[in-house]
Amino acid sequence: GGIITQTPKFLIGQEGQKLTLKCQQNFNHDTMYWYRQDSGKGLRLIYYSITENDLQKGDLSEGYDASREKKSSFSLTVTSAQKNEMAVFLCASRRLGGDEQYFGPGTRLTVL
Amino acid sequence: GEKVEQHESTLSVREGDSAVINCTYTDTASSYFPWYKQEAGKSLHFVIDIRSNVDRKQSQRLIVLLDKKAKRFSLHITATQPEDSAIYFCAASRTSSGQKLVFGQGTILKVYL
Repeated sequence: GGIITQTPKFLIGQEGQKLTLKCQQNFNHDTMYWYRQDSGKGLRLIYYSITENDLQKGDLSEGYDASREKKSSFSLTVTSAQKNEMAVFLCASRRLGGDEQYFGPGTRLTVL
Repeated sequence: GEKVEQHESTLSVREGDSAVINCTYTDTASSYFPWYKQEAGKSLHFVIDIRSNVDRKQSQRLIVLLDKKAKRFSLHITATQPEDSAIYFCAASRTSSGQKLVFGQGTILKVYL
C-alpha cells in the first residue's frame, strides 16, 4: 500500500498573503490532483499533473499556481489569499491507466 | 462544461433499509461514473464505479445504475448499516481513465437504529 501526506494540516494566513500547500505520495502514481472542497459544494478541480513537470488547469485555477517538481510531490500556491476561499484543499493521485483516485487527508485553510 | 447534480443533500434511513442517491449529468460524452465516500473527519475513498458500456454494476451491498438516455445514475445501498453513514459524492468524466472528474455536491447519508 501507499500513503498521501499533505502539509500543513491547518494553514492560517492573512488576506493577500501567498501561501503554499504541499502533497507527497509514495504510491509511485503518475497523475496527481489538487481539489478544493467547500461546504455543500462538492470538490472542484484546481490543477492536475499527468506526469513530472506537467501541469493542467482545472476549472478553478484562477488565483492558484501549482508545481510538480518530482513524481512524488505536487505543490499548490495560493497567490493572494482571499477570505472567501477558506476551504479544505485535497490532494489526490492515480496510477497511469487506473481509474481510482487516492485522496490525502486535506489541508484546511483559514484566511484572517 | 460538464455539470453533475446530486439531488439529495441529506438522506436518513433506518438500519436495514435501502438508500438511493441520484445524480444527473449534462455532458453526453461522459463515460465514466465513480462514487466516493467521505466518513466523518476523514478524506474521500473510492467505493464503486460504472462505465457507459453497462447499465448496472454490483459490488456486495452497493449497486450502481446508469441511464444514459436520461443522463442519470444512482447509487443503491442495500441492507444499510450504521457504518454506511457518510457523505457520498458522485462524479463523471469523459474518459474511462477518470482523468478529470467533475463531482456532485455530496449527499449526507445518516443510518439510524
